[in-house]
Amino acid sequence: GQSLEQPSEVTAVEGAIVQINCTYQTSGFYGLSWYQQHDGGAPTFLSYNALDGLEETGRFSSFLSRSDSYGYLLLQELQMKDSASYFCAVLNQAGTALIFGKGTTLSVSS
Amino acid sequence: DSGVTQTPKHLITATGQRVTLRCSPRSGDLSVYWYQQSLDQGLQFLIQYYNGEERAKGNILERFSAQQFPDLHSELNLSSLELGDSALYFCASSSPSGGQEKLFFGSGTQLSVL
Repeated sequence: GQSLEQPSEVTAVEGAIVQINCTYQTSGFYGLSWYQQHDGGAPTFLSYNALDGLEETGRFSSFLSRSDSYGYLLLQELQMKDSASYFCAVLNQAGTALIFGKGTTLSVSS
Repeated sequence: DSGVTQTPKHLITATGQRVTLRCSPRSGDLSVYWYQQSLDQGLQFLIQYYNGEERAKGNILERFSAQQFPDLHSELNLSSLELGDSALYFCASSSPSGGQEKLFFGSGTQLSVL
């Protein structure tokens, strides 16, 4: 089966940089996805890494190391609106549906 | 707005009852996924349909069932409800060309079982 581990909470101040780690164990691996969910809202897609390395999208970057079964989401120039839960996710063994980690709650203070 | 529509937004019912949650995927999307989100369990994958056929099953209880209709909308039926079924239920869809890694979620149905 699939299991993902990520910290439950992270705190930071505005303007700072924060890294949210995710380690995974899967019986078949296709890639690592990241989603953001604001309180009371729906999860929204942030990024997907199928290959090793860093993918950058504006203030957010995502990294994957397949050999270490590890990835992270890097958020730069933090803003108050970045306060949300962040989920890493991998596809199930059949490659048809996403399985999510339990999420990391990021709190950004001024 | 993701383009995925879920109804109702809120549902309050009693233990032992049965409810139906409805989802319309984005135009052109063939896959529909159902997820349950509770405080202690995170986002749990329940079931996936693709073009009317069940494609994958997750942690879906036997009391729960789903189907996808010819117009591609989907319904999740929850029966013999228990207090522990209180949760936020999300539906998501994915593009046939975009891959299953990028899901578009509806705004969810908040189910409260009293």
